[in-house]
Amino acid sequence: DIQMTQSPSSLSASVGDRVTITCRASQSIYNYLNWYQQKPGVAPKLLIYGALTLQSGVPSRFNGSGSGTDFNLTISALQPEDFATYYCQQSYSTPPDTFGQGTKLQI
Amino acid sequence: EVQLVESGGGLVQPGGSLRLSCAASGFTFGAYWMTWVRQAPGKGLEWVANIKQDGSERQYVDSVKGRFTISRDNAKNSLFLQMNSLRVEDTAVYYCARRDYSNYRLWYFDYWGQGSLVTVSS
Repeated sequence: DIQMTQSPSSLSASVGDRVTITCRASQSIYNYLNWYQQKPGVAPKLLIYGALTLQSGVPSRFNGSGSGTDFNLTISALQPEDFATYYCQQSYSTPPDTFGQGTKLQI
Repeated sequence: EVQLVESGGGLVQPGGSLRLSCAASGFTFGAYWMTWVRQAPGKGLEWVANIKQDGSERQYVDSVKGRFTISRDNAKNSLFLQMNSLRVEDTAVYYCARRDYSNYRLWYFDYWGQGSLVTVSS
């Protein structure tokens, strides 16, 4: 099974900051990488699929990059509603559809 | 508008059974793979099971194989998860999600339900 490792596990930032979350796969997954955002008590929301394609309705301050084993989610100019937990997920070799352990972005 | 609404969660003793349901609306249910994902309290997301459009293919995480069964009723736009021989470690919020793909079978979960809490405890 492919393992997904996110870093950092938690991150403190302020409104207006630019932040980057990293996700690393245990083997190449090409661009088969998705990002989700989850707020407390709410279901996850798809942000980015295929490593860099924004899901419809997602603000352009979210940016995905990377391929192979190393991927980034960058949020430019953090907004108050961006404070949440972010998960990466690989869909190159399934099953299983594996998620990273999550990165909690907090003030 | 796509909607997924789970039901059937609750408190069950170890070794017991529970059946979760997910009512889908706003899309052609029978045209999509569907998925269950769970989240233990304070923990991350864990994929549980997938089912193909016609139910002919089912996939499970190793920890639930032989205990859980994913199924669907396309006529009723419904997804199910039958959970038997439940363990304390199965305690989680269970989400149903739609599994879609873009070019080159790039799969993702684009719509999620609100979740249903399953608590396994004596």
